[in-house]
Amino acid sequence: TQLLEQSPQFLSIQEGENLTVYCNSSSVFSSLQWYRQEPGEGPVLLVTVVTGGEVKKLKRLTFQFGDARKDSSLHITAAQPGDTGLYLCAGAHAGNMLTFGGGTRLMVKP
Amino acid sequence: GAVVSQHPSWVICKSGTSVKIECRSLDFQATTMFWYRQFPKQSLMLMATSNEGSKATYEQGVEKDKFLINHASLTLSTLTVTSAHPEDSSFYICSARDLAKYNEQFFGPGTRLTVL
Repeated sequence: TQLLEQSPQFLSIQEGENLTVYCNSSSVFSSLQWYRQEPGEGPVLLVTVVTGGEVKKLKRLTFQFGDARKDSSLHITAAQPGDTGLYLCAGAHAGNMLTFGGGTRLMVKP
Repeated sequence: GAVVSQHPSWVICKSGTSVKIECRSLDFQATTMFWYRQFPKQSLMLMATSNEGSKATYEQGVEKDKFLINHASLTLSTLTVTSAHPEDSSFYICSARDLAKYNEQFFGPGTRLTVL
């Protein structure tokens, strides 16, 4: 089993603060995806990173894939209450199955 | 992005009955679909990989006779929870892989199953 450790598990911050979520593994992934999930809904794909060292930006969200394709980070600048949700990273490997991290539950207080 | 639908959104059933959940890719063909289970405040756990035209591949610890999967077409996979019991109550989510988009997986909205 290829594990993907995600941290922190919980994060409660004030509106306007910055935050970073990390996903780490000892395994190499062909690609890594970040999702956001609202309660009672399925995960929604935010971004896919494929190349080692790749950085992608989605408005106030910055995603980075590690050079060795074993880790990734999600940085949110000036968080807003609308960013509240469960953030999931998922690494793709053989057979293109996804290994999910444990998730980070983010709450942004106004 | 690609759209995946699930039906029903929620279902309540009596213990011992069987429940069928449908997963459809609406605007793309999916040779592979995945079924996940999610408990409250936890991440997704892969149950099985559904391949069009062949038998599903189940993860360790998942009973294939309990969770029947059928992937009869390129846009439809079904999960049937047979003889459901209260411990089967959970949030079931399917995803479909779009070969045209870096093999990205797109998720359905989920089905909440409650077994009384």
